[in-house]
Amino acid sequence: QSALTQPASVSGSPGQSITISCTGTSSDVGGYNYVSWYQQHPGKAPKLMIYDVSNRPSGVSNRFSGSKSGNTASLTISGLQAEDEADYYCSSYTSSSTQVFGGGTKLTVL
Amino acid sequence: EVQLLESGGGLVQPGGSLRLSCAASGFTFSSYAMSWVRQAPGKGLEWVSAISGSGGSTYYADSVKGRFTISRDNSKNTLYLQMNSLRAEDTAVYYCAKDGTPAAKWKPGWVFDYWGQGTLVTVSS
Repeated sequence: QSALTQPASVSGSPGQSITISCTGTSSDVGGYNYVSWYQQHPGKAPKLMIYDVSNRPSGVSNRFSGSKSGNTASLTISGLQAEDEADYYCSSYTSSSTQVFGGGTKLTVL
Repeated sequence: EVQLLESGGGLVQPGGSLRLSCAASGFTFSSYAMSWVRQAPGKGLEWVSAISGSGGSTYYADSVKGRFTISRDNSKNTLYLQMNSLRAEDTAVYYCAKDGTPAAKWKPGWVFDYWGQGTLVTVSS
């Protein structure tokens, strides 16, 4: 149950687009279309942003999108806004019938 | 409105036990799997355990298997986590989280669409 691999940090200016990668194996990310993404502001509970690779829950801005290629999933945020500054975590179902998270990525809006 | 309220956290000595509770409201509790997810201070999220809506199926991370037990009381809309043989590395904020997929539309894995505010467990002598 090794954590999925995410970059420790990414940054972008307001209005720009950024992409956060999430790399796993064929036993998790690559084996299932069950990757989700969570946003967490300091001191707050996580919030679901994307599920099943590319689906957005009701109420989540369409500036957030998800995709997957092989063993790597990606979260793209377009039109960056100051309130997007937060930690982002990916998560995937695994072949061991467990769930695994990525190590998290800190997004800084410059 | 979905609400999840955890309780039961606190300071416990290594080797000790603690039981966390999560009171749920605003949805048909028995129709959804529930999970516990923890976050050590300054660290990332770690999935701990999940339980099906009926309570008949349970799942655990290797790091807690054999020490933690997840359960639920659907008559009380409450989720539990019994934690035994606690270690310093179990120190974390523990969140309960609701699965976004109703049991009638079961699919592998869990999507955590609602989270509680968390309860802090500190394991220290």
